[in-house]
Amino acid sequence: RKEVEQDPGPFNVPEGATVAFNCTYSNSASQSFFWYRQDCRKEPKLLMSVYSSGNEDGRFTAQLNRASQYISLLIRDSKLSDSATYLCVVTGTGAGSYQLTFGKGTKLSVIP
Amino acid sequence: SAVISQKPSRDICQRGTSLTIQCQVDSQVTMMFWYRQQPGQSLTLIATANQGSEATYESGFVIDKFPISRPNLTFSTLTVSNMSPEDSSIYLCSARLAGNTGELFFGEGSRLTVL
Repeated sequence: RKEVEQDPGPFNVPEGATVAFNCTYSNSASQSFFWYRQDCRKEPKLLMSVYSSGNEDGRFTAQLNRASQYISLLIRDSKLSDSATYLCVVTGTGAGSYQLTFGKGTKLSVIP
Repeated sequence: SAVISQKPSRDICQRGTSLTIQCQVDSQVTMMFWYRQQPGQSLTLIATANQGSEATYESGFVIDKFPISRPNLTFSTLTVSNMSPEDSSIYLCSARLAGNTGELFFGEGSRLTVL
């Protein structure tokens, strides 16, 4: 099982749609979780951290289910500018707790 | 926030040569890392750059192939040695800032093509 697995995508959605991305991770002891966004030919940038209680930032909602080792990202009212690749990211444990493991990413294209 | 400057941004190299990528961070940094991102793949950690000592390499990466230096807190270099076409990739420098709980900031990457 890969350390971090994401929906394969790509997701092509119309403007205004709601879209959800899912991610599973293999290390049950992982402590921190993030969603990063990567635009085409650009570097990844932090979109939001994911907290156990779930968290929301405007149109974006992230949720964590530790029992199922599952993370999700919900985007409401999609904008053209949301088109990007969304990377699920998990920290290591113990001596490797500072390291981030990235999923392959899910590509989103928001269509006019 | 931080600005991470990487250079070169891209290069085309001949097989068997070596290329050194430089990374400069404009903020107080605790940790610096080098990642590789091959086409259609996720980011893979090459190594953690340690100030004043040898880098810590991940499985599958060795110092002879990817020597790394970090002479001070905010600057690091990665060399890709004896290049082959399989080394064609984007190499990304990243850093965690002092006081930051987890966010990694990335440079814009160095796109390397080996002929």
